Amino acid sequence: GAVVSQHPSWVICKSGTSVKIECRSLDFQATTMFWYRQFPKQSLMLMATSNEGSKATYEQGVEKDKFLINHASLTLSTLTVTSAHPEDSSFYICSATPTGANGYTFGSGTRLTVV
Amino acid sequence: GEDVEQSLFLSVREGDSSVINCTYTDSSSTYLYWYKQEPGAGLQLLTYIFSNMDMKQDQRLTVLLNKKDKHLSLRIADTQTGDSAIYFCADSTGTASKLTFGTGTRLQVTL
Repeated sequence: GAVVSQHPSWVICKSGTSVKIECRSLDFQATTMFWYRQFPKQSLMLMATSNEGSKATYEQGVEKDKFLINHASLTLSTLTVTSAHPEDSSFYICSATPTGANGYTFGSGTRLTVV
Repeated sequence: GEDVEQSLFLSVREGDSSVINCTYTDSSSTYLYWYKQEPGAGLQLLTYIFSNMDMKQDQRLTVLLNKKDKHLSLRIADTQTGDSAIYFCADSTGTASKLTFGTGTRLQVTL
């Protein structure tokens, strides 16, 4: 089945630094990947749609300059949280689906803690 | 898209059936999904149903869809302790479209 790998699983960083999270489709190509954010005991909120070879599409209220998305290849999308602050601490999850398939496959998530 | 609502919590005894309910508002929803999330983990796709279907069964899981009322349910037969998790329903308007998630239902299975 389709596998999406996400790294790192968890990261602790200092305020003001930047953190990069990788999302890879291991056994399929994904022209589109999605990035979600999940606060404790809450649902997933879509942050942006990552498009291979073009700019990401951000949801309303998500700062483009703070959450940089790069989808440089058909198997890799990265989310960089720039100048991180404690309020950016959250669980970030990516998802992708093979063309024609039904149902998205999710990565295992990255827990970001900014101290 | 739009809103997707679920009850927050459900507690059942091991061996009983669990029914998790979901309502959505987007009349153009084409696909409806059920995902399971265990603590600290990503989401696992359990099953999905097309909007032109009323019911889908997959082993212990039964999905019922009332399109008129925009109501979706997931029934888990013979619930086990390993079924304890948060269950999210989600809808989309196409296979490549973004998902809108419900608020999640925490299922607790007691002995």
